[in-house]
Amino acid sequence: AQSVSQHNHHVILSEAASLELGCNYSYGGTVNLFWYVQYPGQHLQLLLKYFSGDPLVKGIKGFEAEFIKSKFSFNLRKPSVQWSDTAEYFCAVRPGTASKLTFGTGTRLQVTL
Amino acid sequence: DAGVIQSPRHEVTEMGQEVTLRCKPISGHDYLFWYRQTMMRGLELLIYFNNNVPIDDSGMPEDRFSAKMPNASFSTLKIQPSEPRDSAVYFCASSPARATRIGEQFFGPGTRLTVL
Repeated sequence: AQSVSQHNHHVILSEAASLELGCNYSYGGTVNLFWYVQYPGQHLQLLLKYFSGDPLVKGIKGFEAEFIKSKFSFNLRKPSVQWSDTAEYFCAVRPGTASKLTFGTGTRLQVTL
Repeated sequence: DAGVIQSPRHEVTEMGQEVTLRCKPISGHDYLFWYRQTMMRGLELLIYFNNNVPIDDSGMPEDRFSAKMPNASFSTLKIQPSEPRDSAVYFCASSPARATRIGEQFFGPGTRLTVL
């Protein structure tokens, strides 16, 4: 069965630091890739998505992610984090023509002032 | 649009009681998903529907859990009888069916269930 791995479970950064969260998946065929964010006490919201084309995708709030097919990776980046980016980040994969997503276990990001 | 609506937002009940969680998806969305989120297991897909028809219920923990979608604008997740290990946040999400947007799920605010 396909799986999604987020190796960083808890990341602590100071404001203005750069961020990179790892995401790897195990499906070998065509995939759509997503990053969702869950702010404290809130529901998940879509941050960005990759369907096809340019492997570098830009999302809301200055986030971007790069799809590297050869590495089965879709890492999330932000050049300079803010305190308001404190949240949990979930990578998700939609393999092939599936209708459902497979979510990673999430990475909790804590940004300190 | 109001987004995905869930009720109640919080539910506290005693072991053995029946619990019913409700969800109203975004109008026009063809897919509806029920998830459970806990610290130990993260975000788990319980069941999803396409055009009101259950497609995959392999994530439903056991027979105590059931879900229905009687029409395009309403779904329920029922736990009977409830147990303390069912305590979690239950999210409902909906998604459009257009090929360019499949997978783009819109989540509701969740129902925080506590079973004593």
